[in-house]
Amino acid sequence: AQSVTQLDSQVPVFEEAPVELRCNYSSSVSVYLFWYVQYPNQGLQLLLKYLSGSTLVESINGFEAEFNKSQTSFHLRKPSVHISDTAEYFCAVSEPGGYQKVTFGTGTKLQVIP
Amino acid sequence: DVKVTQSSRYLVKRTGEKVFLECVQDMDHENMFWYRQDPGLGLRLIYFSYDVKMKEKGDIPEGYSVSREKKERFSLILESASTNQTSMYLCASSRQGPSTDTQYFGPGTRLTVL
Repeated sequence: AQSVTQLDSQVPVFEEAPVELRCNYSSSVSVYLFWYVQYPNQGLQLLLKYLSGSTLVESINGFEAEFNKSQTSFHLRKPSVHISDTAEYFCAVSEPGGYQKVTFGTGTKLQVIP
Repeated sequence: DVKVTQSSRYLVKRTGEKVFLECVQDMDHENMFWYRQDPGLGLRLIYFSYDVKMKEKGDIPEGYSVSREKKERFSLILESASTNQTSMYLCASSRQGPSTDTQYFGPGTRLTVL
């Protein structure tokens, strides 16, 4: 069975500083990996996803994540955060086939401090 | 843009009441999902549906049922609400296909059971 671990429940960081949100997964087969973001009082929205090909994927607002198969990780990074990045970030994993059973992590709250 | 709407943002019910949470999507998506979101537990799948009148149990279906009579509408039913069902409920939809498709989320319904 697939599972996702987000070890950090909260990450405070000063504005314009870099940030890394950690995500590790376990699965017996190849996987698809996702990062979703939830801004205050909103539903989740997709930030980026890894399906195949290049192990480095990027979002339109400056976030990137790298799929590392040997370490079973998919950490999310941004070189310089903005106040508007304050949100909760969820890592998720799914396995090919089936009816899109997606397993979500417990979430990491990113708090950007002015 | 895909739009997923949920009937209520906030709902307060009494123990033992029958509760209906409604979700509507406007993008002709085949798949629809109900999750509950609790602090420290992330998102947990309650039920999902991959076609009209079809449903599959998720990870925590106990105490819940669902109904999908039309493609665009997916209802979550709490037959007899209990205090441990106080939570944020999120609905999502996606296209049919492999596990690569993005899930689109509604804004959530925060349910309090007294």
